[in-house]
Amino acid sequence: EVQLVESGGGLVQPGGSLRLSCEASEFTFSRFWMSWVRQAPGKGLEWVASINQDGSEKSFVDSVKGRFTISRDNARNSLYLQMNSLRAEDTAVYYCARIFLCFGEFGYFDHWGQGSLVTVSS
Amino acid sequence: DIVMTQSPLYLPVSPGEPASISCRSSQSLLHRNGYNYLDWYLQKPGQSPQPLIFLGSNRASGVPDRFSGSGSGTDFTLNITRVEAEDVGLYYCMQAVQTPPTFGGGTKVEIK
Repeated sequence: EVQLVESGGGLVQPGGSLRLSCEASEFTFSRFWMSWVRQAPGKGLEWVASINQDGSEKSFVDSVKGRFTISRDNARNSLYLQMNSLRAEDTAVYYCARIFLCFGEFGYFDHWGQGSLVTVSS
Repeated sequence: DIVMTQSPLYLPVSPGEPASISCRSSQSLLHRNGYNYLDWYLQKPGQSPQPLIFLGSNRASGVPDRFSGSGSGTDFTLNITRVEAEDVGLYYCMQAVQTPPTFGGGTKVEIK
């Protein structure tokens, strides 16, 4: 069974940094695009970033461009989200999600992790 | 960015009764390959989201056949033929035809 396990969340002050990790198992990690999706407390879902199989293509939602970086280590079956210059509005549960391609295009998120809570507050 | 609008926001349903959720997009989700890049997800209470429908009408792995998706272009519908207690939660539509992928605001389904 596909597993995605996030870690690294916690409480951080505004302007601070945090690095989330997502460890994947039970599938060939290097063959899949991966994403981070977040959910602010009591709010809906928001896509944050995606990365292709070898890390050469990355995309971000406008609100995190220049502050967040997505990366991966295929040898370690791991996905990362480096978050800098954090703001209160970045407070959310961050989910790691696998992308299933449909006809070579982004299709849907077919597996999700359990999420990691990031709280930005002084 | 493509704006996704769901209705209703809240949907109380009696067990065994049908349910329908609407999702509209601000731009067409029809790809040049002929498929509509519209997905549906269910987030059960206290859980991560799980996929229900992809490409407008295809059930994801393990999804019961009481769930079905329809629509094209900018108007889509998720139907549940007979709601069960385990179907409660937040339902989200999401467009995948253009980056950034964007979600609807969600529809909360509860059992009467």
